[in-house]
Amino acid sequence: DTAVSQTPKYLVTQMGNDKSIKCEQNLGHDTMYWYKQDSKKFLKIMFSYNNKELIINETVPNRFSPKSPDKAHLNLHINSLELGDSAVYFCASSEGLVSDTQYFGPGTRLTVL
Amino acid sequence: AQSVAQPEDQVNVAEGNPLTVKCTYSVSGNPYLFWYVQYPNRGLQFLLKYITGDNLVKGSYGFEAEFNKSQTSFHLKKPSALVSDSALYFCAVRDGGRAGGFKTIFGAGTRLFVKA
Repeated sequence: DTAVSQTPKYLVTQMGNDKSIKCEQNLGHDTMYWYKQDSKKFLKIMFSYNNKELIINETVPNRFSPKSPDKAHLNLHINSLELGDSAVYFCASSEGLVSDTQYFGPGTRLTVL
Repeated sequence: AQSVAQPEDQVNVAEGNPLTVKCTYSVSGNPYLFWYVQYPNRGLQFLLKYITGDNLVKGSYGFEAEFNKSQTSFHLKKPSALVSDSALYFCAVRDGGRAGGFKTIFGAGTRLFVKA
């Protein structure tokens, strides 16, 4: 069984469209994250939820909106996609907030044309 | 503010030789330090972490890292490199206190290339 899964794996879309990426973890963890990895492989935190509560909300455009319907799911919705949004987006989860190991999903490669 | 530096973009080593991937960090509170590995087109995988206790931490696939508080370093090491170790390695730090805002900061990554 996949511990942290994301769908879709690849997403190709036109500028201006709205899209969503879904993430699910079956590890029973309390905390989930969204990261963005750019073409130079820099990895940057975007959001973090702990027990469905938003804990980290980094400086990202408000076109990006996370939603956590329950502890096992953290989805990312992106409005009005721009060329610069092209990247690989990783979901991750951890048992708690501070000292715990993060488990990463396989990533979603988003390409905006 | 916390930060982490990986001074080498790439490390090249021959199979069977020891390898070191360097990492230095800066935090205001106690550091929680991690190493992750990323293979092509995959997510990051956890290798090892230092939270407290023994400065030498052993992890997956024969890797280990040494926490050095005076030098604020957490270098990743392996006694004998394998070709299959070739991947992108990330060092990460989290401030153990609330000053870090529960964020994990990742280094820029070091590409390890092991030649047969």
